[in-house]
Amino acid sequence: DQQVKQNSPSLSVQEGRISILNCDYTNSMFDYFLWYKKYPAEGPTFLISISSIKDKNEDGRFTVFLNKSAKHLSLHIVPSQPGDSAVYFCAAKGGGADGLTFGKGTHLIIQP
Amino acid sequence: DAGVIQSPRHEVTEMGQEVTLRCKPISGHNSLFWYRQTMMRGLELLIYFNNNVPIDDSGMPEDRFSAKMPNASFSTLKIQPSEPRDSAVYFCASSPPGGANTGELFFGEGSRLTVL
Repeated sequence: DQQVKQNSPSLSVQEGRISILNCDYTNSMFDYFLWYKKYPAEGPTFLISISSIKDKNEDGRFTVFLNKSAKHLSLHIVPSQPGDSAVYFCAAKGGGADGLTFGKGTHLIIQP
Repeated sequence: DAGVIQSPRHEVTEMGQEVTLRCKPISGHNSLFWYRQTMMRGLELLIYFNNNVPIDDSGMPEDRFSAKMPNASFSTLKIQPSEPRDSAVYFCASSPPGGANTGELFFGEGSRLTVL
């Protein structure tokens, strides 16, 4: 039973436009949500996080929004750049588990 | 600063052989995690160590898998005997004291295992 779901395996966005990556979760006990970015042949690297007590966190071009009532979070990247092409993983901490629970990832492709 | 170091980066072996994956966490980090990535299941937590002690190994698939952390700077994940369904990328990650509060993990580059 997947507790963190990323329903879009891939997403293609034109350079300069906004990229929106979505993530849904089922466990209301999660207390932190994170986004990781992964390039081929590399490990995931931390991008941005949000506490469950907040609804928005911004870091440069990256903003994460959390809607607790809908159990949904999203990552906005604006403007999108070619270097943003990667696989993005949504992850959650807590809920009675150690470590992080990951979604399966969304492959973002930025078109020139 | 050196990140999490994993070896080997690639391993191709035959079914039935023993496989040992190695990990050196970031110096000063006291939590270590082994994850496995497959197309079907994504990133799954296999085992978690805190201060060199295994805390949760409920994600280890079966008795063929074992993990050790003899000291703060080294961990191994062993598969014996290996099977084709063990083919995956195995990631090691570490986090510093207090890092558990926000959940941020630092990952190695992974070990890609292919069992023929």
